[in-house]
Amino acid sequence: SQQGEEDPQALSIQEGENATMNCSYKTSINNLQWYRQNSGRGLVHLILIRSNEREKHSGRLRVTLDTSKKSSSLLITASRAADTASYFCATDGVNFNKFYFGSGTKLNVKP
Amino acid sequence: DVKVTQSSRYLVKRTGEKVFLECVQDMDHENMFWYRQDPGLGLRLIYFSYDVKMKEKGDIPEGYSVSREKKERFSLILESASTNQTSMYLCASSSDRLDSPLHFGNGTRLTVT
Repeated sequence: SQQGEEDPQALSIQEGENATMNCSYKTSINNLQWYRQNSGRGLVHLILIRSNEREKHSGRLRVTLDTSKKSSSLLITASRAADTASYFCATDGVNFNKFYFGSGTKLNVKP
Repeated sequence: DVKVTQSSRYLVKRTGEKVFLECVQDMDHENMFWYRQDPGLGLRLIYFSYDVKMKEKGDIPEGYSVSREKKERFSLILESASTNQTSMYLCASSSDRLDSPLHFGNGTRLTVT
């Protein structure tokens, strides 16, 4: 399976701190995406980084990609209680229309 | 905004019943997907469809079938529900563009008793 794997499985921080989540995957990719899931709901797309990009920003989110190590990280700066959710990375692999997800990082931001 | 609608939020069925999970998207997306989500296992792809009447198996298709008669609708069918199919089922859609993200519905939590 080329499923991505997030690390850590769970993360608990105080409001205002930064949160970093990591993702490792197994095969070549066209792009890697990060999603967020609030408890019991569907996933929401956060950011996409292409295989030829190394870093991307969107608001308080910063994503890095290292294709030589087959890994990515998601940094949420100045976290808020509302950032409490599970975060998943998804990779597309050979078939760019088919996405594989890891088991996610559960982030708890304490007010 | 893309909307992906799953017909039920919660569903309780008995072992052996035939179960239909329906998903509709309103953005004319070519691709539609069914995932199941279980604690510690993340999202696993059951089936996906890249066009009307076209389908491909994902990682865990056993015990499931799908139907896509119209572009906007993708149905997941459990031919004979079993307790190990108790799970959260998530439908998603995407366009054919290379960098198209997935758009998810809110999920159907299915319990098979």
